[in-house]
Amino acid sequence: DTGVSQDPRHKITKRGQNVTFRCDPISEHNRLYWYRQTLGQGPEFLTYFQNEAQLEKSRLLSDRFSAERPKGSFSTLEIQRTEQGDSAMYLCASRTGTDNGYTFGSGTRLTVV
Amino acid sequence: GEDVEQSLFLSVREGDSSVINCTYTDSSSTYLYWYKQEPGAGLQLLTYIFSNMDMKQDQRLTVLLNKKDKHLSLRIADTQTGDSAIYFCAPPGDTDKLIFGTGTRLQVFP
Repeated sequence: DTGVSQDPRHKITKRGQNVTFRCDPISEHNRLYWYRQTLGQGPEFLTYFQNEAQLEKSRLLSDRFSAERPKGSFSTLEIQRTEQGDSAMYLCASRTGTDNGYTFGSGTRLTVV
Repeated sequence: GEDVEQSLFLSVREGDSSVINCTYTDSSSTYLYWYKQEPGAGLQLLTYIFSNMDMKQDQRLTVLLNKKDKHLSLRIADTQTGDSAIYFCAPPGDTDKLIFGTGTRLQVFP
């Protein structure tokens, strides 16, 4: 296990379709974070999990967005009825509770056409 | 609310030192981080500083922390073209998540 994996790397979808992204954290990391990054901006926090519990959700996370981490390992982020404004890089990060570093994956780039 | 500010651009000549500054409004974390992002890539942890330290040196990188003024800086000595990237300071907010500003785009020219 060499890092945080995200799948797919790229996704192009038509407006109105649903998409789902997956994040596999480093195996011993119990905390998992989702961020969204648009062009020219820094990452914006979306939500985070400690084990399977979703502890915080940003107000950026509209009701079209849902995230799960059912067994406290991998996580999925689903966007329903995608809009062009959802086009962004979606980043996942993980860490342990006492670790001093947040490890990021390479991200999933979503393009809504 | 929590906010992080950095200058948008920095341009330096290869071999010179680069200094990237950051101010933040709030951090209750034990650590403050610097991340590097190359085009189209995720974020790479560059270095971090423990919040009760004033300075940390890590090879070509020096981090200075002024906790009273909530100011953090990253100095890169002998800057190379491979250092060209966007640099983010990221103090964790009061609920454990990292807070990012727009980052500083460092351009290194020969």
